[in-house]
Amino acid sequence: GAGVSQSPSNKVTEKGKDVELRCDPISGHTALYWYRQSLGQGLEFLIYFQGNSAPDKSGLPSDRFSAERTGGSVSTLTIQRTQQEDSAVYLCASSHGGGFSSYEQYFGPGTRLTVT
Amino acid sequence: AQTVTQSQPEMSVQEAETVTLSCTYDTSESDYYLFWYKQPPSRQMILVIRQEAYKQQNATENRFSVNFQKAAKSFSLKISDSQLGDAAMYFCAYGGSQGNLIFGKGTKLSVKP
Repeated sequence: GAGVSQSPSNKVTEKGKDVELRCDPISGHTALYWYRQSLGQGLEFLIYFQGNSAPDKSGLPSDRFSAERTGGSVSTLTIQRTQQEDSAVYLCASSHGGGFSSYEQYFGPGTRLTVT
Repeated sequence: AQTVTQSQPEMSVQEAETVTLSCTYDTSESDYYLFWYKQPPSRQMILVIRQEAYKQQNATENRFSVNFQKAAKSFSLKISDSQLGDAAMYFCAYGGSQGNLIFGKGTKLSVKP
């Protein structure tokens, strides 16, 4: 079946502009995660959805970052007034369940964001 | 807070040889999971192997096996009969009660023909 998909694959934007990143999880997966991977770094957790609600927003680095999930499926991560330090690869993952990491997380190919 | 440490930024192995990647973690939880993910240049994160903390037996998946030492909070990955396709970034990850994974900074593995 189809895996996790993300769009766009690459995004170049000017500093100060807003961007939206999209994630389509595997059908039937109730949990959805956003991570950020900066150059040479591991993955940094941003936010987690269980269904449409986000019980854990603790990883969002600033109030310029927000995310939503509709219909228990597609999620969008929005970054307002982008800064150069926002440049990174944004990875989305989904899993059958959530709340405890016993379930395998399936990752998408990521969106590479470059802020000029 | 939980932390994951990978002390080897880069490793190299000869094709067909064996290599071990190190990972240590810190947690106060007694029930958790540990993972090794592989990330090739395509950026796609692929689960290599998973270990449940309550299981004493080390997980094995074909050429990949782990050495899980719960008391020492150590979780190393052994790759046997290394192949060119094994070249990638390898990330150790901790999964606990919070739901999200906590990743180490990764080890870049090169495989020499």
